[in-house]
Amino acid sequence: GAGVSQSPRYKVTKRGQDVALRCDPISGHVSLYWYRQALGQGPEFLTYFNYEAQQDKSGLPNDRFSAERPEGSISTLTIQRTEQRDSAMYRCASSLDQGFNQPQHFGDGTRLSIL
Amino acid sequence: QKEVEQNSGPLSVPEGAIASLNCTYSDRGSQSFFWYRQYSGKSPELIMSIYSNGDKEDGRFTAQLNKASQYVSLLIRDSQPSDSATYLCAVTLGTGKLIFGQGTTLQVKP
Repeated sequence: GAGVSQSPRYKVTKRGQDVALRCDPISGHVSLYWYRQALGQGPEFLTYFNYEAQQDKSGLPNDRFSAERPEGSISTLTIQRTEQRDSAMYRCASSLDQGFNQPQHFGDGTRLSIL
Repeated sequence: QKEVEQNSGPLSVPEGAIASLNCTYSDRGSQSFFWYRQYSGKSPELIMSIYSNGDKEDGRFTAQLNKASQYVSLLIRDSQPSDSATYLCAVTLGTGKLIFGQGTTLQVKP
């Protein structure tokens, strides 16, 4: 079946603009996660959802970052007033549920570049 | 101290040899442990998971967990050039949040 789908694959925008990154999880997956990955580093947790409920947003760097999953399926990560330091690969993952033994499956990511 | 530590490498092994990748973690409450493989420019791909002390084998891969020493490792037998990638160790406290190490780059030379 289809894997985790993220769009756009690449996003280039000017500093100060708002951006919205989209994630469509694997069908039937209850849990959805957002990570950010810098070059040469492992993914860094941002936030996650079970169904439409945001369970943990402790990894969001500041209040310019927000995420939603209003219908418990597709999620959007929004960054307001972007800054150059926001440039990174943003990855979405999903799992069947939030159980400790449930593996997370990653999408191809969105490469965000802030000019 | 980082929560999950890996040697960034590169670890270079000849084709056919055993590659040994190591990871330590700081939180004794960690419950699940995962190894992801990430080819350059690609997304992380899950290759092994382990939840209890001991060894878990899957094909050429063996994951080893020692909770007392807070140590998890991945052995790749009969290494192939196609195994050349970055290997990411990840742990979770059971809340869904994965904490990753920085990854170890493995180079398998023909």
